[in-house]
Amino acid sequence: AQSVAQPEDQVNVAEGNPLTVKCTYSVSGNPYLFWYVQYPNRGLQFLLKYITGDNLVKGSYGFEAEFNKSQTSFHLKKPSALVSDSALYFCAVRTPGNQFYFGTGTSLTVIP
Amino acid sequence: ETGVTQTPRHLVMGMTNKKSLKCEQHLGHNAMYWYKQSAKKPLELMFVYSLEERVENNSVPSRFSPECPNSSHLFLHLHTLQPEDSALYLCASSQEGPRTSGGYTQYFGPGTRLTVL
Repeated sequence: AQSVAQPEDQVNVAEGNPLTVKCTYSVSGNPYLFWYVQYPNRGLQFLLKYITGDNLVKGSYGFEAEFNKSQTSFHLKKPSALVSDSALYFCAVRTPGNQFYFGTGTSLTVIP
Repeated sequence: ETGVTQTPRHLVMGMTNKKSLKCEQHLGHNAMYWYKQSAKKPLELMFVYSLEERVENNSVPSRFSPECPNSSHLFLHLHTLQPEDSALYLCASSQEGPRTSGGYTQYFGPGTRLTVL
């Protein structure tokens, strides 16, 4: 079955430290990969996506993600975390058959 | 803001009520979506409309009835809901088709927080 996994429900990181939010996928073929962020009482906001090309994708607010085909991963990263980055992060996959799958979300807390 | 608006933002209804959720997109997109977001669960895709035609209905109970009168507006009509239907209902839109350069990115509205008593 095709799916997206975010293995960590919660990630805590100190302000100024690098952060990583993990995502792995199980999809046949070449998927499109997305990261979204959700702040309290808000909808999902698009951060970045990978379609093809360079495996390192840069997005909004200083976030980037690295596509690793052999490990079927698309981890979200930021070199220096801000308190304002605290939010819920969702990984999503669009399959070649145009099915859209979201992970369960990872709650990121940046500690001042 | 993302260019997708939803009203109302909050809704409390009894199990015998009939209500409707409204979504409007100002992005010129040709596809719209309804999702259900419950705590600790993946987003559940409920309905997809592409070019105003429903193209996906993921085994959603008939007490949820979508309507897409044009490419900018999407409704979700609710009747005789159950308490387990309480959730955040998100609308999204995207541009689909050969002219797509955005990789089918979906843009979400702020959601309607629905509570069924």
